[in-house]
Amino acid sequence: AAGVIQSPRHLIKEKRETATLKCYPIPRHDTVYWYQQGPGQDPQFLISFYEKMQSDKGSIPDRFSAQQFSDYHSELNMSSLELGDSALYFCASSFMDRGYEQYFGPGTRLTVT
Amino acid sequence: QKEVEQNSGPLSVPEGAIASLNCTYSDRGSQSFFWYRQYSGKSPELIMFIYSNGDKEDGRFTAQLNKASQYVSLLIRDSQPSDSATYLCAVRGYSGGNKLVFGAGTILRVKS
Repeated sequence: AAGVIQSPRHLIKEKRETATLKCYPIPRHDTVYWYQQGPGQDPQFLISFYEKMQSDKGSIPDRFSAQQFSDYHSELNMSSLELGDSALYFCASSFMDRGYEQYFGPGTRLTVT
Repeated sequence: QKEVEQNSGPLSVPEGAIASLNCTYSDRGSQSFFWYRQYSGKSPELIMFIYSNGDKEDGRFTAQLNKASQYVSLLIRDSQPSDSATYLCAVRGYSGGNKLVFGAGTILRVKS
């Protein structure tokens, strides 16, 4: 079965640079979620989109923005990167009419140096 | 206090035994409950979800939910070394949209 696709899988950036992470949900899934997981921590919700509209917002820094496009893929844009932004970034997707189960992608490991 | 609490472990069980993982949550209006398995450096993998009080079984896994006690558990029967991982309890709240709030996870070690 098709899974959530994330790119890139690994990304190394310097402080104050920008980064763009991409997420392609499972086909027919209409909702995308972004989570950040720091070392030794549980995933923290950042933001979600349903049918291309922002549906919920969590602890996402103002330096970050995201959107969902007409083909349902989503991008997380991160600017003025800080060392503390180094983490695993997961995208998850769900099909709203089929319940609330969220399926996670493989993640993007972001390292800020 | 975290919204979702788990014993961090590690929980060590011998191969073939039953592993019991527990989770409590603070939002009484929480609607949906999920168990994810996460291997080190990998993404969370959904293994069980439960929405109603009682038990739900899927293969070697049984999820148990008691909303009155705000308690959800996961039983793994016939534990295998490949079950060694961190198990994350996640809760979808009443007032929090569809976002998941995770516990810190319980490390399970199955010894052969």
